[in-house]
Amino acid sequence: DTEVTQTPKHLVMGMTNKKSLKCEQHMGHRAMYWYKQKAKKPPELMFVYSYEKLSINESVPSRFSPECPNSSLLNLHLHALQPEDSALYLCASSSYEGGPYGYTFGSGTRLTVV
Amino acid sequence: AQTVTQSQPEMSVQEAETVTLSCTYDTSESNYYLFWYKQPPSRQMILVIRQEAYKQQNATENRFSVNFQKAAKSFSLKISDSQLGDTAMYFCAFMATTSGTYKYIFGTGTRLKVLA
Repeated sequence: DTEVTQTPKHLVMGMTNKKSLKCEQHMGHRAMYWYKQKAKKPPELMFVYSYEKLSINESVPSRFSPECPNSSLLNLHLHALQPEDSALYLCASSSYEGGPYGYTFGSGTRLTVV
Repeated sequence: AQTVTQSQPEMSVQEAETVTLSCTYDTSESNYYLFWYKQPPSRQMILVIRQEAYKQQNATENRFSVNFQKAAKSFSLKISDSQLGDTAMYFCAFMATTSGTYKYIFGTGTRLKVLA
């Protein structure tokens, strides 16, 4: 299995809702990442998990809460989001943090906050 | 600080022709890695090719090849025999590890359109 699977593909949520994004990989990668991407822009790093521990938090607002229950699974819990949080959320994995072989990305969750 | 610059926001090429996308970077590191990613309208970013800075030989993957000029800090992507499926956003990326921490930086991207 050489894929990163993200669910759901699309999500529309109100500003008072709580929702979660899910990411799963079975490549044995030990680093997993959340990126936020606005239209026609490069991805922006949000969080990095290395060996299931939070390694990097790029000063992301607390309304985004990551979770890594095991080495294959990464969640992003969303609560009280703002319309400007609407974006494509990409999950990625790599063999290890800073590994030289590049990332494997999922196909993303298109989030719309209304 | 490391930077990655893609100076061509948009490009187009005729099907079956060759196109080159440019990428320049700035770093004081001696050991680093460079990548090209493709993001088609389907959204998934796909690793196209990677280059290790300590290797002088340019990387090649089928129709994709790079021209890596370390002294000039240039890392261009050449796509030969362009196909309609090559239509996508292309991002150049740089990665280096310094004192146990790493930096992974994406360029601003080049939107490539392959014309029939």
